[in-house]
Amino acid sequence: DVKVTQSSRYLVKRTGEKVFLECVQDMDHENMFWYRQDPGLGLRLIYFSYDVKMKEKGDIPEGYSVSREKKERFSLILESASTNQTSMYLCASSPSDTSETQYFGPGTRLLVL
Amino acid sequence: GDSVTQMEGPVTLSEEAFLTINCTYTATGYPSLFWYVQYPGEGLQLLLKATKADDKGSNKGFEATYRKETTSFHLEKGSVQVSDSAVYFCALRYSGNTGKLIFGQGTTLQVKP
Repeated sequence: DVKVTQSSRYLVKRTGEKVFLECVQDMDHENMFWYRQDPGLGLRLIYFSYDVKMKEKGDIPEGYSVSREKKERFSLILESASTNQTSMYLCASSPSDTSETQYFGPGTRLLVL
Repeated sequence: GDSVTQMEGPVTLSEEAFLTINCTYTATGYPSLFWYVQYPGEGLQLLLKATKADDKGSNKGFEATYRKETTSFHLEKGSVQVSDSAVYFCALRYSGNTGKLIFGQGTTLQVKP
């Protein structure tokens, strides 16, 4: 069965903290994605990666960075968390065949105080 | 730029009512179109898709037809159930890229018994 897991379902952090969100997929997919989901705005792409050590900026990369050292793992890093980064963060993966769908993890709800 | 617009929610229906959730898109090329569903506390799942004009996607009683002339991909179901209560996202994806998706803002459906 297809599986994308995220390290935490809920996180509470303080302004200025460095935050790591981890995502792991077990489907040997080439592509991985990080989105944030906010009411009324849908999902917005932060970063994506189409191969190990490769990354590309999405629509809203400011304040975020990513790391992909292994094919199955894609990390989102908030270098210095701010209150406007309070959101739901969703990870997804897909194979290189772009006719295939993206598979999503359950999400991490992050609260920055 | 390319975008997806969905009807405002929430949509509240009684069980067995007919459902329509409108989705229109703006794109320079010929994108593939998707509907995703997010049940409470879960990530997104692909509900259905259509890859070219006049294609009809269908799954679990839901249908949507890719209308190039009206740039629309409206979601319909003839008789909704309480278990259909969820957030529905319309999305588009270009051919030839790494599988990036552009999402609409999401429409919340609540079905009452």
